[in-house]
Amino acid sequence: GAVVSQHPSRVICKSGTSVKIECRSLDFQATTMFWYRQFPKQSLMLMATSNEGSKATYEQGVEKDKFLINHASLTLSTLTVTSAHPEDSSFYICSARDPSGGRLETQYFGPGTRLLVL
Amino acid sequence: GENVEQHPSTLSVQEGDSAVIKCTYSDSASNYFPWYKQELGKRPQLIIDIRSNVGEKKDQRIAVTLNKTAKHFSLHITETQPEDSAVYFCAASLTGTASKLTFGTGTRLQVML
Repeated sequence: GAVVSQHPSRVICKSGTSVKIECRSLDFQATTMFWYRQFPKQSLMLMATSNEGSKATYEQGVEKDKFLINHASLTLSTLTVTSAHPEDSSFYICSARDPSGGRLETQYFGPGTRLLVL
Repeated sequence: GENVEQHPSTLSVQEGDSAVIKCTYSDSASNYFPWYKQELGKRPQLIIDIRSNVGEKKDQRIAVTLNKTAKHFSLHITETQPEDSAVYFCAASLTGTASKLTFGTGTRLQVML
């Protein structure tokens, strides 16, 4: 149980284009999902908290107009990197908690999306 | 906000030896402390966690200790094996489904044959 998927696993795009990344909870409903960014050999940095049916909460320094988050259903959150630039190249990982399980605090991570902007 | 420090950044041990990774946190209100293992290019996997009402927790070769007074917690891996080689992250948060995790900087563990 508590499986989180992400799509795509890898994407290469040209500078200036937008890229959408999907995060799905496969066997549970998640009212809250989290989006992280991880640069090579660095830790996971929380970008935003995605809330089903309401606006996402962004961490300080993360541009909400550049990283658009939509949590339209209890099993799907999307992150759109708008007008991507080479400095946006990174590993993007989502996570979710399973409120129906006995481990309310545990975050289950998706497999990640490696974004390369040329 | 919460700040989590993690040491060492790299750790090399011989197969069969023990490995210890230490973390400190700043927010005394934090009460949930998970440890994640991340292999290269893969997702972080939860290996063990502890809540602040417990001082120690063990699962086979892995154990975690928590000192709330000193605000630090440690991961102990005994009888290390080559497959234990990975990057380990500690984290801290409050309980509650909307609470966010603050991660440490990671420890790259290499278990040598």
